[in-house]
Parts: sequence; structure tokens; C-alpha cells
Amino acid sequence: DTAVSQTPKYLVTQMGNDKSIKCEQNLGHDTMYWYKQDSKKFLKIMFSYNNKELIINETVPNRFSPKSPDKAHLNLHINSLELGDSAVYFCASSQVGSGGRRETQYFGPGTRLLVL
Amino acid sequence: GESVGLHLPTLSVQEGDNSIINCAYSNSASDYFIWYKQESGKGPQFIIDIRSNMDKRQGQRVTVLLNKTVKHLSLQIAATQPGDSAVYFCAENKGDSWGKLQFGAGTQVVVTP
Repeated sequence: DTAVSQTPKYLVTQMGNDKSIKCEQNLGHDTMYWYKQDSKKFLKIMFSYNNKELIINETVPNRFSPKSPDKAHLNLHINSLELGDSAVYFCASSQVGSGGRRETQYFGPGTRLLVL
Repeated sequence: GESVGLHLPTLSVQEGDNSIINCAYSNSASDYFIWYKQESGKGPQFIIDIRSNMDKRQGQRVTVLLNKTVKHLSLQIAATQPGDSAVYFCAENKGDSWGKLQFGAGTQVVVTP
């Protein structure tokens, strides 16, 4: 059973296009995240949603817009794609643990985006 | 600014030997630390975590050590196997209830026969 799934796995597109990446988790978690991993493997958080509400919004161009239709899904829409958007995008989810904190995050397999 | 970890180094380990992966952090407010393993073409996978009120935690073949005095975290892998070849990341949480993690740059572990 896939805990956190993403589609598509690979995405090759032209500069200027608009594309979406989808994420679903079947862990029953209430919080989901989007991360960007660059060519040097550096992972940086972009957004987080808790029960469909945006709770973390890092310094990300407004061409990136997350959408959460329900707590099991978090999609990422990117407008006017640029060369620098080429990266691997990971979705993750977590659940509140003891002490009211969300810590352990479970990651999806990633979406490899290449902008030409 | 504050950072976790080092630029991506490579650790070459002979199969059967023990591996030690190091991570430096600079934020004294961090109170929760996690190690992730990322195999080629896959997402990061949780290995082990530790809270700041502990200095050692053991899992299956892995041990995490936390030295708050020098802000240092390490992951020890016993009897390294070919399947342990991956990039290993440390991550810290600064007491944020929403689970915002700051990741280090990662260490590439290569297991040689």
C-alpha cells in the first residue's frame, strides 16, 4: 500500500507552461507539505497545509500555488514555468503526536520536473 | 544564517564496517532531530529521531547520538550493507508545532564490497 503518492513521477515541459502536481496520502494525517529538492540534493520546505488550511508559506514565487481540496490531498500548481523550477518536488505528510507536535514526516516518491 | 549539516560529502564504507555520519546544527532552540535516508530515485525515508532531552537513541542497526554542547548529531550504522548506500539527511525542528523541518545538505554513503 502506498502511503504518500504523487503524480506524475516525471514531468517534462516547456518554459512558460502551467503544470500541476498531485499528492495523496492514505495515512489519515492532518498535515501535508511540499518540498523542493535542487540538483545538489538540498531539501527546502515550500508550503504546508493542515486540514485544508495553509499554515506554512515560505518565500516562494507566487507562480506556485498549493491547493488542498481535503486533508488527504495537496496539489501544487505552477504557472509560467521557468528553467529554475527544474527540480524534484516532494510531498510529505505528518500527524500530531504526543505533546501536540507534528514531527515525523512521511515523504512521497517525488515528481521530477524538467523545464526546457 | 543558521544551518544544519554540511555540503554534500561522500562517505565510502566497506561492507560489514560501521558507518558514522555527522551533522552540525547551529540553532540552540532546536529540540527535535531526525535522520532520513534517500535512495536514488526515491523520497526520503524516516530512519530514527531523537529529542533534545536525550543524548542517545538506538534502533535496528542504527544509533543516533546528540551532543547539545557542541551542537552535533551523528548517525551510526552497524555492519553496513550494500542496501545502506544512499544519501543521509539530518533535519531539525525548532519547537514548531506544525513540524517545519530544516534539512541539512546530506551525506552520500557508498558501500563497497
